[in-house]
Amino acid sequence: GDSVTQMEGPVTLSEEAFLTINCTYTATGYPSLFWYVQYPGEGLQLLLKATKADDKGSNKGFEATYRKETTSFHLEKGSVQVSDSAVYFCALSHTGNQFYFGTGTSLTVIP
Amino acid sequence: GAGVSQSPRYKVTKRGQDVALRCDPISGHVSLYWYRQALGQGPEFLTYFNYEAQQDKSGLPNDRFSAERPEGSISTLTIQRTEQRDSAMYRCASSLAVTGRAGETQYFGPGTRLLVL
Repeated sequence: GDSVTQMEGPVTLSEEAFLTINCTYTATGYPSLFWYVQYPGEGLQLLLKATKADDKGSNKGFEATYRKETTSFHLEKGSVQVSDSAVYFCALSHTGNQFYFGTGTSLTVIP
Repeated sequence: GAGVSQSPRYKVTKRGQDVALRCDPISGHVSLYWYRQALGQGPEFLTYFNYEAQQDKSGLPNDRFSAERPEGSISTLTIQRTEQRDSAMYRCASSLAVTGRAGETQYFGPGTRLLVL
């Protein structure tokens, strides 16, 4: 069945450090891939998405590229800020009817 | 409304009691989804609706769990005879289009944290 595997956390970085959170998936066909973010005390928010191979999703300085050959959708940011501290979830969806989420990666950015 | 809302935000109940969790989707959103999220895990699909029709309930853990959306807007997830293992965050999401479109974004509510004593 479909599944998503995320890099385990927690991750702690200093401000302005480079961030990578790994995400790989298992799925038949060509799913859409998403990164959701959950800030403390809030619900999940869409961060970015990509709907086909080689697409790059980007938002708020974060980027992720849909790599079909490696079944990956790694999240990157060149310079993290304290305000990026949150839990990040990688997810996939085939037709939008249900999402399969990874277990989440907690990020803490220290000044 | 501005976003998906859920109520109550927190619910503490005794084992064996029934609970009803409410979701109010974004106005005009056709599809509505329920997820359960255990501590330290990602959301796990329970069921979803297109309009008032329940399309897939394969994720409901057992027959104590049920959901309805009678008028195609507000939805209620009901758990009968609650057990301690039901304790989790229950999240609702909605999306604009009828499911079947790749890349359709789901918008999540803040969740209801359920604690069964």
